[in-house]
Amino acid sequence: NAGVTQTPKFRILKIGQSMTLQCTQDMNHNYMYWYRQDPGMGLKLIYYSVGAGITDKGEVPNGYNVSRSTTEDFPLRLELAAPSQTSVYFCASSFSTGQNEKLFFGSGTQLSVL
Amino acid sequence: GENVEQHPSTLSVQEGDSAVIKCTYSDSASNYFPWYKQELGKGPQLIIDIRSNVGEKKDQRIAVTLNKTAKHFSLHITETQPEDSAVYFCAASSPGDYKLSFGAGTTVTVRA
Repeated sequence: NAGVTQTPKFRILKIGQSMTLQCTQDMNHNYMYWYRQDPGMGLKLIYYSVGAGITDKGEVPNGYNVSRSTTEDFPLRLELAAPSQTSVYFCASSFSTGQNEKLFFGSGTQLSVL
Repeated sequence: GENVEQHPSTLSVQEGDSAVIKCTYSDSASNYFPWYKQELGKGPQLIIDIRSNVGEKKDQRIAVTLNKTAKHFSLHITETQPEDSAVYFCAASSPGDYKLSFGAGTTVTVRA
């Protein structure tokens, strides 16, 4: 199993550009998440999904959109990129058994908006 | 929502010594407390977790303790080794809520 795969690993955007961060998992997990990590701030939840066709906002959803058309894929869309979106983005997945379970994280996407 | 505070933000220890990281949480209903380790350039990985029905859990050189009354939990690493150098995150979540609230992280450096 590859686990959680994120692409690209690095990206530089100009202000106002758009892009999609890709995330796919091969563990048949029903839950998927997007977090951003800023220095000294820990991990903040952007969006999450409890299954195909179901998504919901986390703590910091403004400026982002997501979709979940399949169990495996959970892309994160940035529209009109802003310098405040410079961060490291992590996708994660977990298998819900009715109680909280281990999150599996991807290796991250480092995004700079200049 | 849940607020998790983590201390210290940096910790330097001599190889072989112990390291302790402490976290407090705000929501008394929280019942799940995992710890993640993040090595440079990688995503976080779960190293140990504890649920509110136990007060302590141990796995080889790492242990976690939970004080529900005081709403705090701690990570203890004994006999530290260079490979323990990393950023450690605590987190908490409430029953039925699959969204973890993370602490700000602790950068641990083990000096040889």
